[in-house]
Amino acid sequence: DAKTTQPTSMDCAEGRAANLPCNHSTISGNEYVYWYRQIHSQGPQYIIHGLKNNETNEMASLIITEDRKSSTLILPHATLRDTAVYYCIVRGPMIYNQGGKLIFGQGTELSVKP
Amino acid sequence: KAGVTQTPRYLIKTRGQQVTLSCSPISGHRSVSWYQQTPGQGLQFLFEYFSETQRNKGNFPGRFSGRQFSNSRSEMNVSTLELGDSALYLCASSLGGLTSSYNEQFFGPGTRLTVL
Repeated sequence: DAKTTQPTSMDCAEGRAANLPCNHSTISGNEYVYWYRQIHSQGPQYIIHGLKNNETNEMASLIITEDRKSSTLILPHATLRDTAVYYCIVRGPMIYNQGGKLIFGQGTELSVKP
Repeated sequence: KAGVTQTPRYLIKTRGQQVTLSCSPISGHRSVSWYQQTPGQGLQFLFEYFSETQRNKGNFPGRFSGRQFSNSRSEMNVSTLELGDSALYLCASSLGGLTSSYNEQFFGPGTRLTVL
């Protein structure tokens, strides 16, 4: 699985967009970008994933650069409840990895401030 | 739909003892993965079970073992506990089929194990 690099921490004002970057320069053509977040002392929560195209769901948007070497998770209107550690993970299709193993890095600690 | 449940939520053991943790996946999910989270090492993959078979294994000693039952419920066991085994143990369930391109995992709340 490709390695990812994320900033250790970021701040965001409540109500503003939070843009969390992730570098994955060694990503392979069939590897997906996943984002999870972990609110203090809870289990990680799936946010979104993508392969090549930009993706949007009710929680966030995922922007993947054309060369796929980096991506940005966007929380359009951050609230205090979005304060969490955000993990960017790259992994291939299920058959590629023979299963559902996820490799977590250190993630980005996002603090949303009033 | 009920989420992933883990029991117990908190556990205190002493060095040398063994412990068994339980995970009930979301109904219909056949894959259960286990992770250990510590402040120093972060979230680390332990192993994954699918249809009662271990399909993936992380880099942990043999003291860590698991199993999965026919109803997809899973248990993990840690024998001869060490102080360093104190951690949050998380399980995650997913559909898990190898024909899937991607695999969204749903995590439980975790079991907080303290070894004294």
